[in-house]
Amino acid sequence: TQLLEQSPQFLSIQEGENLTVYCNSSSVFSSLQWYRQEPGEGPVLLVTVVTGGEVKKLKRLTFQFGDARKDSSLHITAAQPGDTGLYLCAGETTGNQFYFGTGTSLTVIP
Amino acid sequence: EAGVTQSPTHLIKTRGQQATLRCSPISGHTSVYWYQQALGLGLQFLLWYDEGEERNRGNFPPRFSGRQFPNYSSELNVNALELEDSALYLCASSLMFRPQHFGDGTRLSIL
Repeated sequence: TQLLEQSPQFLSIQEGENLTVYCNSSSVFSSLQWYRQEPGEGPVLLVTVVTGGEVKKLKRLTFQFGDARKDSSLHITAAQPGDTGLYLCAGETTGNQFYFGTGTSLTVIP
Repeated sequence: EAGVTQSPTHLIKTRGQQATLRCSPISGHTSVYWYQQALGLGLQFLLWYDEGEERNRGNFPPRFSGRQFPNYSSELNVNALELEDSALYLCASSLMFRPQHFGDGTRLSIL
């Protein structure tokens, strides 16, 4: 049983399009992280959100933490081929344990 | 600042053998986490060490074990290897209550 469900599992879009990836759970998290992983490498931390309703922007990437701290979304504007990768969300519980989502594999076609 | 380093990069073993994977955390980080990333299954939590002690373990059999040394580096040992143990094993380090930073993993292949 996966504590965090991500959707969609796979996404293939054209360069310049917008997309949103969702990370959902029935559990409350003290914080939530988003990572991007490229083939042959470990996940790289993109952002941490802590407060319910928080919105953080990282260039063309917008991250939002749900008001109840159970879900999050990642929105990419004008996707570029360099955005291609596996996007993972990870929720941290109050016991400092991390649970990873199922991952979204994004391919941006030039 | 050096990141999390893992060795070896690749490891090939046969069924029944034992494997040892190593991880050096970012300097100053006291927590080390181990994950298994099998194809199509995402990251599965294995073990968490902090200050030399095992704090928690995931839903894996006892043949998966490890330890953390006084310098906070860590080893993951897998005994009696099975074909389904083939995966990328990722190590991450952090300060307590801070996000994790990952190494590039050890690719373990069981023949």
